[in-house]
Amino acid sequence: DIQMTQSPSSLSASVGDRVTITCRASQSISSYLNWYQQKPGKAPKLLIYAASSLQSGVPSRFSGSGSGTDFTLTISSLQPEDFATYYCQQSYSTYFTFGPGTKVDIK
Amino acid sequence: EVQLVESGGGLVQPGGSLRLSCAASGFTFSSYSMNWVRQAPGKGLEWVSYISSSSSTIYYADSVKGRFTISRDNAKNSLYLQMNSLRDEDTAVYYCARENLDSSGSHYFDYWGQGTLVTVSS
Repeated sequence: DIQMTQSPSSLSASVGDRVTITCRASQSISSYLNWYQQKPGKAPKLLIYAASSLQSGVPSRFSGSGSGTDFTLTISSLQPEDFATYYCQQSYSTYFTFGPGTKVDIK
Repeated sequence: EVQLVESGGGLVQPGGSLRLSCAASGFTFSSYSMNWVRQAPGKGLEWVSYISSSSSTIYYADSVKGRFTISRDNAKNSLYLQMNSLRDEDTAVYYCARENLDSSGSHYFDYWGQGTLVTVSS
């Protein structure tokens, strides 16, 4: 199975900060990488698919990049509603495994 | 508007069974593959099972293989998860999620239900 790791596991940031979250796959997954945002008590929400495609309705401050084994999610200017946990997910293999998550909270 | 509504969760004893349902609306259910994803309390997301649009292809995570059965009824726009031989570690919120596919062949879960809580405890 493909294993996914994320770093950092948590971070504290201020409104307006640029935030970068990294996701690494245990083997090459081409660009088959998705990013989700989850707020407490809510279902995950798709932000980015295919490594860099912005899901409809998602603000343009979110962007994704990478291919192969290393990927990043960037929030260009953190907004109050962005404090949440972010998960990457590979869709290269049959089992669509998720990363362990990165919690973004208020500094 | 796409909607996915799970039901059927609850408290069950270890070794017991439960059947979850996911009612879909707002899209052509029979055209989409579907998945179940779970989240243990305070933990991350774990993919559980996949079913293709016609039910011809089914996959399970190793952690539930042989105990859980995914199925769907396209006439009723419904997805199911039959869970048998439940264990403490199956305690989680269970989400159904629609799988979409883009032109490059990339799969992703674009719509999720609100989740239903399954608690396995004596």
